[in-house]
Amino acid sequence: ETGVTQSPTHLIKTRGQQVTLRCSSQSGHNTVSWYQQALGQGPQFIFQYYREEENGRGNFPPRFSGLQFPNYSSELNVNALELDDSALYLCASSFDQTGREQYFGPGTRLTVT
Amino acid sequence: AQSVTQLDSHVSVSEGTPVLLRCNYSSSYSPSLFWYVQHPNKGLQLLLKYTSAATLVKGINGFEAEFKKSETSFHLTKPSAHMSDAAEYFCVVSDPAGFQKLVFGTGTRLLVSP
Repeated sequence: ETGVTQSPTHLIKTRGQQVTLRCSSQSGHNTVSWYQQALGQGPQFIFQYYREEENGRGNFPPRFSGLQFPNYSSELNVNALELDDSALYLCASSFDQTGREQYFGPGTRLTVT
Repeated sequence: AQSVTQLDSHVSVSEGTPVLLRCNYSSSYSPSLFWYVQHPNKGLQLLLKYTSAATLVKGINGFEAEFKKSETSFHLTKPSAHMSDAAEYFCVVSDPAGFQKLVFGTGTRLLVSP
């Protein structure tokens, strides 16, 4: 166990809806990254937050947004859900933005119908 | 840009036989490389990492990997497979684009038969 927790475990939403996923970082970690893992594929980087600021983003549209709070917990928000957003969403925390070791939570399985 | 290629989508071994999971990398920097394992319905667990120290890296659960710059490879090995090793394995390179972004391979599913 890494100490990174995510909620909820599973979620079913309808196309066009909005969703919020939550992540609690490992103690002492001030950086959180979010990844999307589609079925049968490797995780894809969405974005990273360091000390409450987004400091890096992958090839995802603006309807994917995030927040990091003073206690370093984090949210991933997805607006206008599409069927292709169905995936496992993973968050990972690290000691800082240069930390080479990222510790992953168990993920949230999102199904969009 | 950094990338990794996992050469096998599936590898099948018998319990007690050696495991070899192959990974080639592409990097314009001195890379940081990792192997992660994902068991069904579980998150990703770090097996081992290479960060320009010793080229032979030992990880958890008896796994090790050797960094070979001349071959741009970072293959994962284990002398003797156990049933509990059955899982998805990801080779990963860190892209230091001002922050640490992990770039994952497509994964290798390891099947272990009795």
